[in-house]
Amino acid sequence: GNSVTQMEGPVTLSEEAFLTINCTYTATGYPSLFWYVQYPGEGLQLLLKATKADDKGSNKGFEATYRKETTSFHLEKGSVQVSDSAVYFCALPAPGGYNKLIFGAGTRLAVHP
Amino acid sequence: GAVVSQHPSRVICKSGTSVKIECRSLDFQATTMFWYRQFPKKSLMLMATSNEGSKATYEQGVEKDKFLINHASLTLSTLTVTSAHPEDSSFYICSAPDHNEQFFGPGTRLTVL
Repeated sequence: GNSVTQMEGPVTLSEEAFLTINCTYTATGYPSLFWYVQYPGEGLQLLLKATKADDKGSNKGFEATYRKETTSFHLEKGSVQVSDSAVYFCALPAPGGYNKLIFGAGTRLAVHP
Repeated sequence: GAVVSQHPSRVICKSGTSVKIECRSLDFQATTMFWYRQFPKKSLMLMATSNEGSKATYEQGVEKDKFLINHASLTLSTLTVTSAHPEDSSFYICSAPDHNEQFFGPGTRLTVL
């Protein structure tokens, strides 16, 4: 079945540092891939997505490229801010249902001034 | 974007009691909602699909008699944890789709003493 593996956190960075959070997946076919973010005390929000191989999703300075050769969808940001401190989840649809999502374990990011 | 609320945000109960968690779509209607469970430092695990006007669909390994789901209206789904035990302590999150995007509630922290 489909599955997602994310790097374990927490990730602690200084403001303006470069961020990479690794995500690899196992899936049948080429499903859409998602990154969700959960800010403290809030629900998960869609951060970005890519619907096919070689697509790059981007939002709020974050980017992730759908790479089928390496089955990866790593999240990157060139210069993080304190306000980026949150938990980030990589996800893909479960087989047979777009609305059912399978999540990675989540990676907590803490950015210090 | 669309907003999903959950109530309560936190609940502490004694072993053997039942607890009801509400999930509401505030500005859209949802014929389907999803319930997830999150263990500490673990992925969100899909528990069940809540269907308005019909029975919920449970994922493999989830006890339907333990986790009762009722989708009474197009904006409300409830999850009742019956005869709760300490191992049911967890973070429960609901989601609802709107225009092909999932919107998540802020979650409910259940602690069973």
